[in-house]
Amino acid sequence: GENVEQHPSTLSVQEGDSAVIKCTYSDSASNYFPWYKQELGKRPQLIIDIRSNVGEKKDQRIAVTLNKTAKHFSLHITETQPEDSAVYFCAATSYNFNKFYFGSGTKLNVKP
Amino acid sequence: GAVVSQHPSRVICKSGTSVKIECRSLDFQATTMFWYRQFPKQSLMLMATSNEGSKATYEQGVEKDKFLINHASLTLSTLTVTSAHPEDSSFYICSARDERVSSYNSPLHFGNGTRLTVT
Repeated sequence: GENVEQHPSTLSVQEGDSAVIKCTYSDSASNYFPWYKQELGKRPQLIIDIRSNVGEKKDQRIAVTLNKTAKHFSLHITETQPEDSAVYFCAATSYNFNKFYFGSGTKLNVKP
Repeated sequence: GAVVSQHPSRVICKSGTSVKIECRSLDFQATTMFWYRQFPKQSLMLMATSNEGSKATYEQGVEKDKFLINHASLTLSTLTVTSAHPEDSSFYICSARDERVSSYNSPLHFGNGTRLTVT
């Protein structure tokens, strides 16, 4: 199966700074990579995703990059705000798996 | 957008009793639903894949007799924790893909989760 590793486990940034979370995956068959944000006690919410046929995708302050050769993808949040504080999970999947493999999560703390 | 509803959101039960958790896809059909378990400050661990009209597929280490899954219709999957014990206390979350979009290349939509506490 797939193995997804995520770093760092915790990240503290000052409001307005950028935050970067990195994930690696092991199976080259993975072709879809969503990122989820989970606030305490709530459901994970999709914030952005990327498919293997593109290298970068951006949505306002959030961007994701994918390097298929190196098998890693990253989440970039610019101009961070206190409401960005949450746990972020990366995931990988493909048609072959029919299941999602999640990273271990990154707790982001944005200090006002 | 695709909405997944999960009930109950919170349940407290005594050791030895069984608890049923329902997961519904409200505006789409889901032939497959996924059940996750999440311990505090940890990641989402896939427990089983629920398949409409057939047996669920359990991940390694998950007791199928302990966690009974039934997917009787295209919009409903249930997870029953049988003979619950304190170590079963956890956050259980169901999810499904909106198969109208794609059968595999689309995100999971999660239910609100169920906080189970076994006393």
